[in-house]
Amino acid sequence: ETGVTQTPRHLVMGMTNKKSLKCEQHLGHNAMYWYKQSAKKPLELMFVYSLEERVENNSVPSRFSPECPNSSHLFLHLHTLQPEDSALYLCASSMQGVAYNEQFFGPGTRLTVL
Amino acid sequence: DQQVKQNSPSLSVQEGRISILNCDYTNSMFDYFLWYKKYPAEGPTFLISISSIKDKNEDGRFTVFLNKSAKHLSLHIVPSQPGDSAVYFCAGRAYSGAGSYQLTFGKGTKLSVIP
Repeated sequence: ETGVTQTPRHLVMGMTNKKSLKCEQHLGHNAMYWYKQSAKKPLELMFVYSLEERVENNSVPSRFSPECPNSSHLFLHLHTLQPEDSALYLCASSMQGVAYNEQFFGPGTRLTVL
Repeated sequence: DQQVKQNSPSLSVQEGRISILNCDYTNSMFDYFLWYKKYPAEGPTFLISISSIKDKNEDGRFTVFLNKSAKHLSLHIVPSQPGDSAVYFCAGRAYSGAGSYQLTFGKGTKLSVIP
């Protein structure tokens, strides 16, 4: 595997379900991100982990819970979601602390909440 | 308040001609600007960037221009090819503390290159 991978690629869940999205980066980066992309909206940054510590939480509802067990893996735990949470969830990684740190994105998980 | 605006949701260009995608921003703290390209069912991929202290960066068919006084940047693709058809996102990078930088994205412009 190379780059940033995400599983599953598609997920359909009911409002009472609990599920998790997984992201893995194979680039040796030290920062990982979760973004949400809804139709006709910019990519919205949800969470940032730098050196495995959460450094940003942009007022995301508590029904989204991130977990970063190590610098290569990032999870997004989902519970009691709402239909308006249906979106494309993108994971990205970068190398913080260097002069320029472009973010590399995974292919995303298309989430549908019924 | 949108810090990065891409006011054209879509753009159609004939193959071989120039494509110009525009982006406006409001945050003076952005130190880098990046363009990402996204195909359906894939994540965005980095295309080209420019430092806030430069006014032009060129990479093959892609050139990004920055007009800092107008808070405006543009991506030029010449000549345009059908494979360039994708959604293009403009992003500004700002330092957010603790050694961490964050990107703020525009809504994207869908480019269609007509053969």
